[in-house]
Amino acid sequence: DAGVTQSPTHLIKTRGQQVTLRCSPKSGHDTVSWYQQALGQGPQFIFQYYEEEERQRGNFPDRFSGHQFPNYSSELNVNALLLGDSALYLCASSPARGSSYEQYFGPGTRLTVT
Amino acid sequence: GENVEQHPSTLSVQEGDSAVIKCTYSDSASNYFPWYKQELGKRPQLIIDIRSNVGEKKDQRIAVTLNKTAKHFSLHITETQPEDSAVYFCASQRGGSYIPTFGRGTSLIVHP
Repeated sequence: DAGVTQSPTHLIKTRGQQVTLRCSPKSGHDTVSWYQQALGQGPQFIFQYYEEEERQRGNFPDRFSGHQFPNYSSELNVNALLLGDSALYLCASSPARGSSYEQYFGPGTRLTVT
Repeated sequence: GENVEQHPSTLSVQEGDSAVIKCTYSDSASNYFPWYKQELGKRPQLIIDIRSNVGEKKDQRIAVTLNKTAKHFSLHITETQPEDSAVYFCASQRGGSYIPTFGRGTSLIVHP
């Protein structure tokens, strides 16, 4: 079991550009959540995808959008990048049903906006 | 929305000492409280969790206590070891939700 995987590992972009981050969930999981973790902070919830639809969204602007594919993998897109978007972006997967509420995190993508 | 406060932000102890990290939450509907450990440059990983129908849970050297009336919960690590050095995050979730609200983290440093 490969667990949750994310790509790329690191990314450097310029202000105003657009970026796409990718995530593959843990085997058997069909729900994917995205988090932004600024330096020295806890992960902040961006949105969650289930059955290819955005199920819930945190307090992030529309510049942040996502997608989930039939194989449950997911993408996070950020448009019109700002310096403040520099952070570690974590993907987490979880099963839609079951007794465990654990979030299984991926290793993250470190985004630097210059 | 839910607000989770975590203290202290940094905790420095000697190897073998105990460490305690405290969190408070605001949403009375929260009933699941996980703790995640994040080592430098690595992903957060669940180390222990507790549900609101339980007051205390223990797993070897770590334990978590929950006071639902006061809306606070704590992580206790006994006989700390250098490999316990990491950032620890508390979180709270509503029942049926896979969306935790995280605290800001505690950087635990265990000196050999």
